[in-house]
Amino acid sequence: GAGVSQSPSNKVTEKGKDVELRCDPISGHTALYWYRQSLGQGLEFLIYFQGNSAPDKSGLPSDRFSAERTGGSVSTLTIQRTQQEDSAVYLCASSLSTGLNEQYFGPGTRLTVT
Amino acid sequence: AQRVTQPEKLLSVFKGAPVELKCNYSYSGSPELFWYVQYSRQRLQLLLRHISRESIKGFTADLNKGETSFHLKKPFAQEEDSAMYYCALSTSGGSYIPTFGRGTSLIVHP
Repeated sequence: GAGVSQSPSNKVTEKGKDVELRCDPISGHTALYWYRQSLGQGLEFLIYFQGNSAPDKSGLPSDRFSAERTGGSVSTLTIQRTQQEDSAVYLCASSLSTGLNEQYFGPGTRLTVT
Repeated sequence: AQRVTQPEKLLSVFKGAPVELKCNYSYSGSPELFWYVQYSRQRLQLLLRHISRESIKGFTADLNKGETSFHLKKPFAQEEDSAMYYCALSTSGGSYIPTFGRGTSLIVHP
């Protein structure tokens, strides 16, 4: 079956612009996670959605970052007024329910802020 | 707070040599531990989890609660094992958000 998909695969933007990153999780997976992957920093948790519950936004680095998940499926991560330090690979993952289950990762979106 | 430590950023071995990627965690309850792998130009994927007690691609990992470790081992490394490896911890109590280590890059030389 189809895995987790993300778009775009690459995004180059100018400092100060807003960007939207999209994630399509595996159908039926109620949990969805966003991570940021930087060289030498590993995976940095950003935000977690579980079913219809309020998202856990504890990992968002600043109020420039926000995310939503519509209809319990597709999610969009928005970064406003991008900064050069936002440059990274943004990964989305989904799982059947909680983090106790295997996470299935998307291919990531490589964001470059110039 | 839960934490995962992978002390080695880079591990370089020759083909056929044993390899051990270290992972230490801190969590007072019962952890659920995973190893994820990312091969070049591929997405991050699960390699193994401690509860399944499987050997995947020749790799094994044993949970040592006394030492709070979950080291990944393989007796004879292969070139195709070259990848980025992440140890991850999930817990059944409180937050269900997995905590990942910073990763270890394994390079297996021919």
